[in-house]
Amino acid sequence: DQQVKQNSPSLSVQEGRISILNCDYTNSMFDYFLWYKKYPAEGPTFLISISSIKDKNEDGRFTVFLNKSAKHLSLHIVPSQPGDSAVYFCAASASWAGNMLTFGGGTRLMVKP
Amino acid sequence: DTEVTQTPKHLVMGMTNKKSLKCEQHMGHRAMYWYKQKAKKPPELMFVYSYEKLSINESVPSRFSPECPNSSLLNLHLHALQPEDSALYLCASSHPDRPYGYTFGSGTRLTVV
Repeated sequence: DQQVKQNSPSLSVQEGRISILNCDYTNSMFDYFLWYKKYPAEGPTFLISISSIKDKNEDGRFTVFLNKSAKHLSLHIVPSQPGDSAVYFCAASASWAGNMLTFGGGTRLMVKP
Repeated sequence: DTEVTQTPKHLVMGMTNKKSLKCEQHMGHRAMYWYKQKAKKPPELMFVYSYEKLSINESVPSRFSPECPNSSLLNLHLHALQPEDSALYLCASSHPDRPYGYTFGSGTRLTVV
């Protein structure tokens, strides 16, 4: 059973608009969440993270929102740029589980010029 | 140096071959990981080394044999693999004080014929 789910395998957005990528999780023990970006033939690159004690973390054009009661997080990219086109993975970790990350299935974002 | 370097980038091997994947980092990270990623799937954890000791083995078949010779190097020895083992093998590392922010390498694209 997947503990971290990204229900949208792909998302297409116009350049300059907002991209919203969603992620749901089932394990209430997760207390740290991360987003990774992956280009083809490259390893995932860390993008932004959020601790369960917060509900929002912002870094430039990227903002992650966490709704613990709904076990839902989202990544907002605004404004979207063509260079943002990549696969985005949501990942979660629990303190008791050490350094293990559980990844979602990924969402392919395509930003059209 | 803020990179995780993996070699080779591509590898084609027969089912009777023995080969090794290599991973190197010089960021002082004391946790290192091997992940396997199949097409359109999330990365799946294989092994975790913490302070050069194997701490997690996610029920990986014995035809995969990890080795951590020192704090900067991580190897994955391959022997008698099957075609279904073809995948992207990702190495990652993390800092002791920031365990969740993995740095990934670019991966080795392995094809077993």
